[in-house]
Amino acid sequence: NAGVMQNPRHLVRRRGQEARLRCSPMKGHSHVYWYRQLPEEGLKFMVYLQKENIIDESGMPKERFSAEFPKEGPSILRIQQVVRGDSAAYFCASSPGQGGLDTQYFGPGTRLTVL
Amino acid sequence: DQQVKQNSPSLSVQEGRISILNCDYTNSMFDYFLWYKKYPAEGPTFLISISSIKDKNEDGRFTVFLNKSAKHLSLHIVPSQPGDSAVYFCAASANKAAGNKLTFGGGTRVLVKP
Repeated sequence: NAGVMQNPRHLVRRRGQEARLRCSPMKGHSHVYWYRQLPEEGLKFMVYLQKENIIDESGMPKERFSAEFPKEGPSILRIQQVVRGDSAAYFCASSPGQGGLDTQYFGPGTRLTVL
Repeated sequence: DQQVKQNSPSLSVQEGRISILNCDYTNSMFDYFLWYKKYPAEGPTFLISISSIKDKNEDGRFTVFLNKSAKHLSLHIVPSQPGDSAVYFCAASANKAAGNKLTFGGGTRVLVKP
């Protein structure tokens, strides 16, 4: 009974490089969410996706960040031209999306360090 | 604007006693509330939730209380165990109005002393 999978668990990038974070939702879940946790802070919503659709990207920075959830394969959060301020833990969550009150289950996170 | 607040950054409790964690919110559109537990270097683990149509939900040692008029919820853990030492996050969503995105509080670090 695999939970939400994220990889890599740790990612180190130099300023200006690209970071790609992957998330495979729980079996049977069709909704994916990305959250970011800066040091000593709570989690902040970034984006909500269903297969091939971005439903809500109100928490995404306007530039350099993008997300997708293709028909096949994991969801990808992509950060272009990373800066030091992007260093954070990025968590993916998934939910069944059956309507009503939908509980989200989280993956272990990817810890991004920008040098 | 911080729509979900956990005003106690930390809590220390003796093993076997009750832990009470508090959470306040400002958005009256929130209709679903959840508590998550988080260990260092791991993702949040879902503990318990409550719908806005209820005022109490219980699951084993965990009980969540919701006071809608005060926009306040609390998590009771009894009896507290050393393995409960973690950071606890309160989260809320406005499913009917704004989809399912969760708004989190800043967390309360709980230390259960043996």
